[in-house]
Amino acid sequence: DIQMTQSPSTLSASVGDRVTITCRASQSISSWLAWYQQKPGKAPKLLIYKASSLESGVPSRFSGGGSGTEFTLTISSLQPDDFATYYCQQYNSYANTFGQGTKLEIK
Amino acid sequence: EVQLLESGGGLVQPGGSLRLSCAASGFTFSSYAMNWVRQAPGKGLEWVSAVSGSGGSTYYADSVRGRFTISRDNSKNTLYLQMNSLRAEDTAVYYCAKDAFSGGSCSDYWGQGTLVTVSS
Repeated sequence: DIQMTQSPSTLSASVGDRVTITCRASQSISSWLAWYQQKPGKAPKLLIYKASSLESGVPSRFSGGGSGTEFTLTISSLQPDDFATYYCQQYNSYANTFGQGTKLEIK
Repeated sequence: EVQLLESGGGLVQPGGSLRLSCAASGFTFSSYAMNWVRQAPGKGLEWVSAVSGSGGSTYYADSVRGRFTISRDNSKNTLYLQMNSLRAEDTAVYYCAKDAFSGGSCSDYWGQGTLVTVSS
């Protein structure tokens, strides 16, 4: 199985900051990577698919990049609604796997 | 509007069985693969199983293969997960999730989840 490793596990930041979360795959997944946002007690929400494509309705301050084994999620200017947990997911095959998550906290 | 509504969760003893259902609406159900994803209390997301749009192909995580069975009834727009030989480590919120695109994909819509607790 393909393993996904996110870093950092926890990130403290302030409103207005630019933040980047990294996700690494144990083998190449081309661009078959998605990013999700999850808030406590809620289902995950799709933000980015195919590494860099923005899901409809998602604010443009979210962006994704990378290919192969290394990927990033960047939030250009943090808003209060962005404090949540973020997960990457590879879908190179039907046996999808998720990263362990990055909790974005208010500093 | 796409809606996914899970049901069937609850408290079950170790070794017991449970069947989860996910009622779908707002899209052509048979055109999309569907997934079950779970989240143990305070933990991350774990993909559990997937089924193709026709129901002819199924996929499982190693942790549930041989114990869980995914299926779908396209005439009823409903996804199922039959869970047998349940263990304490299967305790989680179980989400059904719709593939965003055909041919293996991420998930663009998720249900609200149903809690399964395995405990004596």
